[in-house]
Amino acid sequence: QKEVEQDPGPLSVPEGAIVSLNCTYSNSAFQYFMWYRQYSRKGPELLMYTYSSGNKEDGRFTAQVDKSSKYISLFIRDSQPSDSATYLCAMSEGPGGDMRFGAGTRLTVKP
Amino acid sequence: GAVVSQHPSRVICKSGTSVKIECRSLDFQATTMFWYRQFPKQSLMLMATSNEGSKATYEQGVEKDKFLINHASLTLSTLTVTSAHPEDSSFYICSPKQRSNEKLFFGSGTQLSVL
Repeated sequence: QKEVEQDPGPLSVPEGAIVSLNCTYSNSAFQYFMWYRQYSRKGPELLMYTYSSGNKEDGRFTAQVDKSSKYISLFIRDSQPSDSATYLCAMSEGPGGDMRFGAGTRLTVKP
Repeated sequence: GAVVSQHPSRVICKSGTSVKIECRSLDFQATTMFWYRQFPKQSLMLMATSNEGSKATYEQGVEKDKFLINHASLTLSTLTVTSAHPEDSSFYICSPKQRSNEKLFFGSGTQLSVL
């Protein structure tokens, strides 16, 4: 079993749809959770950062962490074609810990 | 977010040549530098970790003599792919990290194509 599981997709939705992206993990020591967006042939850019459990909202993006279920989610409201990218979840135990990445989910938002 | 500069963005070279990739952290000091490789439609694969002034630690299966890493300063690290072969063709991404910061920031990546 991989330490971090993420459905690679691809996921295709119409413009305006609500998108739900998810990751599960097995290491209960993970405390820091991140979502990165990666456009084709570009480096990943940090989209959302969450510490421990709870929700965090930033514009059209909401990140949720459920540590009891070892499950994290990223929601995108009113999705736009410019949101088309690969979304990577990432997590670590702490500042000195190694970062573990999901496989990435390829998202296409069709106009 | 932090500003990371990675060059070149794309390089095409002949088999047997060496290629150097530079990664700079422009607005913070990177005590640690991660180098990743990414094949098409796959996730990031950690190649090596280097701490400033120390030798790099390589992941299993990554040849240290082929992928030379230099991290001589807190703002600059280089990855040299020596005697490149077509199977080394990939997207290479650096990630400088501050000691006390759990977030990772990435360079824009370098697409290496070895003919």
